[in-house]
Amino acid sequence: QSALTQPASVSGSPGQSITISCTGTSSDVGGYNYVSWYQQHPGKAPKLMIYDVSNRPSGVSNRFSGSKSGNTASLTISGLQAEDEADYYCSSYTSSSTLVYVFGTGTKVTVL
Amino acid sequence: QLQLQESGPGLVKPSETLSLTCTVSGGSISGSSYYWGWIRQPPGKGLEWIGSIYYSGSTYYNPSLKSRVTISVDTSKNQFSLKLTSVSAADTAVYYCARHWVAGAFDYWGQGTLVTVSS
Repeated sequence: QSALTQPASVSGSPGQSITISCTGTSSDVGGYNYVSWYQQHPGKAPKLMIYDVSNRPSGVSNRFSGSKSGNTASLTISGLQAEDEADYYCSSYTSSSTLVYVFGTGTKVTVL
Repeated sequence: QLQLQESGPGLVKPSETLSLTCTVSGGSISGSSYYWGWIRQPPGKGLEWIGSIYYSGSTYYNPSLKSRVTISVDTSKNQFSLKLTSVSAADTAVYYCARHWVAGAFDYWGQGTLVTVSS
């Protein structure tokens, strides 16, 4: 399976909202509501930010929200803060016959 | 608080076998509906799922790596392990272990361990 497609970079000023897209196919993003999003700061392990398309784990700011339309999922960060500068990856379950996962290509978020 | 910790050699020679272990603390690797997985990240690149295992021993592998990967579990030690055979420089990466539920997200991650393939 191929990696999900994300923009290489997205930027915004503090306080603004940005949206990161994650495009797959009907075999992954479009076929299941099992899209998740991860934040990764340099040298750190990824941190789960959104699961099952739009659910936030306990402790994650409500400035982070997720959605999906067709084969494209999106992560929106509202009220952008300096600490949000990081790499973001989407991931999706991608098979009905066995358990398989695919990650996105990753997006670098820069806070201007 | 659940914690995962990877361990193993940081340097492996080309054509040899990479072996890593993930030790789980603060919770049991057995029971419930959780799976235990391995993910890797080459330097400066994105994440790649390698495979996952259930405590019963059921395994699931990335089709692109399946021929070289074996994941096993030792419930008595609360550990699961990764073996990757015939490694090359392309296998140089930070290797993470993580927990996930079936078809669901990876909610707990280890800190990662860098494995370099070089002679």
